Amino acid sequence: EPEVTQTPSHQVTQMGQEVILRCVPISNHLYFYWYRQILGQKVEFLVSFYNNEISEKSEIFDDQFSVERPDGSNFTLKIRSTKLEDSAMYFCASRALAGAGTDTQYFGPGTRLTVL
Amino acid sequence: AQKITQTQPGMFVQEKEAVTLDCTYDTSDQSYGLFWYKQPSSGEMIFLIYQGSYDEQNATEGRYSLNFQKARKSANLVISASQLGDSAMYFCAMREYTGRRALTFGSGTRLQVQP
Repeated sequence: EPEVTQTPSHQVTQMGQEVILRCVPISNHLYFYWYRQILGQKVEFLVSFYNNEISEKSEIFDDQFSVERPDGSNFTLKIRSTKLEDSAMYFCASRALAGAGTDTQYFGPGTRLTVL
Repeated sequence: AQKITQTQPGMFVQEKEAVTLDCTYDTSDQSYGLFWYKQPSSGEMIFLIYQGSYDEQNATEGRYSLNFQKARKSANLVISASQLGDSAMYFCAMREYTGRRALTFGSGTRLQVQP
């Protein structure tokens, strides 16, 4: 069964460093999302991406964040200068455009980001 | 205002019994979708079940069913015949079709299944 994959599973970085989190969405999906979950808290939406552009973003997704689809399979989240409060689990999700179950977002296993 | 409310931070259930996890939501959209996800201790988010606002029948997926009461704005998850592997966090989420189209999650319910 196709699934969303994310790398790395765990990333440790120093405050102020740039990190890039990588995702490979399900191959025929066209909507892509990033969410984050600070330890012990609810999952929060960051950004959605469709047709090579951001379609929606939350107030969390400020200028420190950017997303990119560099090729036909990868979807990345970049944090330019990490802060301690960026420590969280980051989930990528994807959704199909048309067909049965198109409304469902399927999540990757997450990348745990630890900022020291 | 909270869009998704899960009032049970933790629940216990005996193996093989049924359990209901509560979820209420708030939206002014007429068209929306409701979802339940399971998050085991390993951390991944596993999709369980979906209910569209115009679906007249309650959704079912194996041992999972969604008790959808539109007038009360509730979308409770019912797990029948609980298994030890059902122990996890469960999140209710909503997607509006004219408002925010990304998922809005509740705070979750931690379910522990006891042998």
